[in-house]
Amino acid sequence: EDQVTQSPEALRLQEGESSSLNCSYTVSGLRGLFWYRQDPGKGPEFLFTLYSAGEEKEKERLKATLTKKESFLHITAPKPEDSATYLCAVQAQNSGYALNFGKGTSLLVTP
Amino acid sequence: DTGVSQDPRHKITKRGQNVTFRCDPISEHNRLYWYRQTLGQGPEFLTYFQNEAQLEKSRLLSDRFSAERPKGSFSTLEIQRTEQGDSAMYLCASSLEHEQFFGPGTRLTVL
Repeated sequence: EDQVTQSPEALRLQEGESSSLNCSYTVSGLRGLFWYRQDPGKGPEFLFTLYSAGEEKEKERLKATLTKKESFLHITAPKPEDSATYLCAVQAQNSGYALNFGKGTSLLVTP
Repeated sequence: DTGVSQDPRHKITKRGQNVTFRCDPISEHNRLYWYRQTLGQGPEFLTYFQNEAQLEKSRLLSDRFSAERPKGSFSTLEIQRTEQGDSAMYLCASSLEHEQFFGPGTRLTVL
């Protein structure tokens, strides 16, 4: 069965303190790995899609990378407005188009 | 605003009542998805449509749940005989390719 595990569950950073969030996955044939940001009471906001090991995507202070077993979301010099829950999801080749989400990492960036 | 919209944003109902939610996808998107999210968890897949055809259903979608997408445009999700365990955020997403774009969600509270 496909599984997605995110760590840590919660992370507190000082403004400017870079760090990484981890997403470990097991899936029978990866079609894509997705990163979303979710603010409280709102729907997830799409960030990145990664399709194959070695692929990297960047957007402002965020950079996502992918290996055969895990993905990292690197946050460089975070600001308080980066505070949110970051969700990782996998889409398997044999599961139609359903996304299988992890529980997320809750990030708090303090000034 | 050309994003995914959902209505209502909040619904409070008594146990045993029926409720219906509506989702309007991004206009050119042919795939539409429903997910459910409870506190501290990632979204869980419920069902998805390609145009008007319902192609996949999760085992979470009990026989009290039904979804429709007439004419391949908006979709409705109905829950009959609601139970307290149905309290959650119900999220709709749409896609043209692999990336799914989410709406703001409908928060259901069953008393």
